[in-house]
Amino acid sequence: QSALTQPPSASGSPGQSVTISCTGASSDVGRYKYVSWYQQHPGKAPKLMIYEVTKRPSGVPDRFSGSKSANTASLTISGLQADDEADYYCSSYAGSDTWVFGGGTKVTVL
Amino acid sequence: QVQLVQSGAEVKKPGASVKVSCKASGYTFSDYYLHWVRQTPGQGLEWMGWITPHSGGTSYSQKFQGRVTMTSDTSISTAYLDLSGLRSDDTGVYFCARGRTDNSFDSWGQGSPVTVSS
Repeated sequence: QSALTQPPSASGSPGQSVTISCTGASSDVGRYKYVSWYQQHPGKAPKLMIYEVTKRPSGVPDRFSGSKSANTASLTISGLQADDEADYYCSSYAGSDTWVFGGGTKVTVL
Repeated sequence: QVQLVQSGAEVKKPGASVKVSCKASGYTFSDYYLHWVRQTPGQGLEWMGWITPHSGGTSYSQKFQGRVTMTSDTSISTAYLDLSGLRSDDTGVYFCARGRTDNSFDSWGQGSPVTVSS
C-alpha cells in the first residue's frame, strides 16, 4: 500500500480559496467513493471534515468541499479564515479491509 | 458524546514492546470498528490496522504484520495496540479512531506518544 500523494504546502489570503489535491491509484481513490479528509491543528488529533468524497459531517462549514476525478481527489476551502491554518490529510479505502492516508498538506493563511 | 481516551506517554528501548490502550465512551463499543493510526515525527498519518470489538476480528497493514497485535475488552469498552520489536523509527504518536461504515474515521483519541531510544 503506497501513501496517497499530496502537495506539502498550500497557501492563500483570508477570503480566498485554496484547493488541495490527493492522488492515488485505480486500486484506491479511483476505485472507491470512500475518500475522506481530515484537519489537524498542531498537537491535536485529526478531525473529520469530508467523507465519501463530497459529504460534510454536521458542524463542518460549507466552505469546505470535496470532489474526485479519476485517481485524484480534491479538497477546496473557500473564504479562507485564520483558523483554517492547519495540516490536511486525505484518506481512501484501499480494498481488502485496508486504508491508506496521504502525506499531508500544510495550509498557511497569509 | 463519543470519547476515546488513550493511555499516556511511553519511553521504550529498542527491541522492547509497547502496549497502548484506548477507552471508549458515549456509544456502543461493539458496534464500530476501532482503527489505529500513527504519526511519526515530520511524517503524515499511517494506517496500522483495525479491530472489530464484536468478534475480535482484525486486519493489519502489511507493514506491521508480525509485529502488531490489536485486542479489545468489551466489558470495559477498551481496545489495545501491542507493538513489538520496537525500533527508533517507531517513535511517534499513536492514535485510535472510530471507523464508520462509510470508511471514514469520525472520532479520534488524543494520541499516545511513544519514544524509542537507547
